[in-house]
Amino acid sequence: NIVLTQSPASLAVILGQKATISCTASESVNKFGINLMHWYQQKPGQLPKILIYNEFSRAPGIPARFSGDEAELNFTLTIEPVEADDVATYYCQQGLTFPLTFGAGTKLELK
Amino acid sequence: EVQLQQSGAELGKPGTSVKLSCKVSGYNIRSTYMHWVNQRPGKGLEWIGRIDPANGNTIYAEKFKSKATLTADTSSNTAYMQLSQLKSDDTAIYFCALQGLLQWWGYFDYWGQGVMVTVSS
Repeated sequence: NIVLTQSPASLAVILGQKATISCTASESVNKFGINLMHWYQQKPGQLPKILIYNEFSRAPGIPARFSGDEAELNFTLTIEPVEADDVATYYCQQGLTFPLTFGAGTKLELK
Repeated sequence: EVQLQQSGAELGKPGTSVKLSCKVSGYNIRSTYMHWVNQRPGKGLEWIGRIDPANGNTIYAEKFKSKATLTADTSSNTAYMQLSQLKSDDTAIYFCALQGLLQWWGYFDYWGQGVMVTVSS
């Protein structure tokens, strides 16, 4: 199974500053030149919502404050500038092989 | 607008079964893969399995192969998951999630609101 290691487990950021969340895959999640790494946002008590798919593509309606990147199996979700509405838990997920797997999540709070 | 409406909260006794439903509107489930994901209290997301409603083909995570059974009824545009031999460890929120066949990249376009299953005697 592909293991996704997310860090940090929690993150406190000042309003307007940058938040960076990392997700390291245990092996490649690339197929046909596309990294099948996706990011979700889950606010407390709510269902998850797709933010970023295929490493860096924003889902419809997602603002440009959210961006995705990759370097050597290390995937990054960046939120800049952070807004109050961004308080949530963020999960990465690989779509390459079954079982589909998620990272353990990163809880974003405001400092 | 695409909506996934899940059935209400369930309370099951150990050793029994529950069947959860996920009715889809705004999208023909024949053009989807329907997935199920759980979330234990205070924990992260865990993928259970997927069904192709057009032909009934299923794929399960290894640990759920004897626990979950996925089915779908295309006439009512509804996906189902039965959980058998309930144990306290099955207490969780269960989400259905839709992957449109237009994308093969394995992410979930839409999610149900989730249903809480509590296992207790």
